[in-house]
Amino acid sequence: GAVVSQHPSWVICKSGTSVKIECRSLDFQATTMFWYRQFPKQSLMLMATSNEGSKATYEQGVEKDKFLINHASLTLSTLTVTSAHPEDSSFYICSARSTGSYESPLHFGNGTRLTVT
Amino acid sequence: SQKIEQNSEALNIQEGKTATLTCNYTNYSPAYLQWYRQDPGRGPVFLLLIRENEKEKRKERLKVTFDTTLKQSLFHITASQPADSATYLCGSGYSTLTFGKGTMLLVSP
Repeated sequence: GAVVSQHPSWVICKSGTSVKIECRSLDFQATTMFWYRQFPKQSLMLMATSNEGSKATYEQGVEKDKFLINHASLTLSTLTVTSAHPEDSSFYICSARSTGSYESPLHFGNGTRLTVT
Repeated sequence: SQKIEQNSEALNIQEGKTATLTCNYTNYSPAYLQWYRQDPGRGPVFLLLIRENEKEKRKERLKVTFDTTLKQSLFHITASQPADSATYLCGSGYSTLTFGKGTMLLVSP
């Protein structure tokens, strides 16, 4: 149980275009989802916390107008990278907890490899 | 600022040996630490959680310890196998989880 599905698994786009990444909790409801970014051989860096029915909370240094997050239902959060540039190329991973406890482990999607040309 | 650090160098061991990975934290006292496994191009998978009042936790060939004096958690894999080769992440936090850079483990036959 507690499966998080992420789509697409990889995407290549041209500089200046926008890309949408979907994150779904398949067998549980997630009022909160987390978006991370990971550069090669680097740690997972939290970008934002997605809250169902309300605005996302962004980490310091993450541009909210560039990384648009929508959490319209209890099972779906989307991250849209707007006006993508080569420096946005990275591995984007979403996650969620299946319970409300802070000790509850995060269930991660399998990530989206974004390449901006 | 709060920091969680792992030895980012790869750890190479022979099959059958015990792998020991280290996670150190500074400038805060986490109530718990979580360990995850990440394979290349995949999302992390949860392995174990250990609370600050627990000295040790085990799950099959895995063992985690938590030393609040040393501000350190050790992650052990006994009787390691090539299939254990992956990057192992240590994380802590409350509403959000912060991770170390991870340690890549390579188990050779």
